[in-house]
Amino acid sequence: DAGVIQSPRHEVTEMGQEVTLRCKPISGHDYLFWYRQTMMRGLELLIYFNNNVPIDDSGMPEDRFSAKMPNASFSTLKIQPSEPRDSAVYFCASSSGIQVSYEQYFGPGTRLTVT
Amino acid sequence: DAKTTQPPSMDCAEGRAANLPCNHSTISGNEYVYWYRQIHSQGPQYIIHGLKNNETNEMASLIITEDRKSSTLILPHATLRDTAVYYCIVRVPNNAGNMLTFGGGTRLMVKP
Repeated sequence: DAGVIQSPRHEVTEMGQEVTLRCKPISGHDYLFWYRQTMMRGLELLIYFNNNVPIDDSGMPEDRFSAKMPNASFSTLKIQPSEPRDSAVYFCASSSGIQVSYEQYFGPGTRLTVT
Repeated sequence: DAKTTQPPSMDCAEGRAANLPCNHSTISGNEYVYWYRQIHSQGPQYIIHGLKNNETNEMASLIITEDRKSSTLILPHATLRDTAVYYCIVRVPNNAGNMLTFGGGTRLMVKP
């Protein structure tokens, strides 16, 4: 398996623009997680899905952020409108469970810069 | 999740064992200890986990004290590629509200 795939790897956009980040989880994994990493706040869980259904979105910073998982092999994280403080590295991860032995596999991340 | 405390940085000589400590004095009986690491510009990578017994895999060993208030991750023969930030996390598995929460971690620098 190719692992978790994220696109784009880098995104530079202007304040106010819509940004869409994409993730393809590992085939067969039924949990998908979105994280954000900044120097100030470290690595934060934003939202996670189980079987394409959002389970916990308490980490989503505000209404400008939304995430969807239309099918088992694709998820998007959208920011509309984007702001400079959204600049961060966004990671997607997947796992086949959340019990003890199910580890999370992380993608390479998308580095977002909002100017 | 119980809070963890790790030293912000450590150095280790290449080929020597790297011992990374983690304090989790408020850990509860059903919480596991997980270790992940993040190499520069990559996503975090799972290393090992344990409950109360010592664990070993191809990457590392995990030593958990008898009172479970602290643990040590051991990389037996550190290489330059082990330079990374190492995160110690405690959580209850199979709890929908208790996913991985990453703290500051320890930045390990392996030097030639």
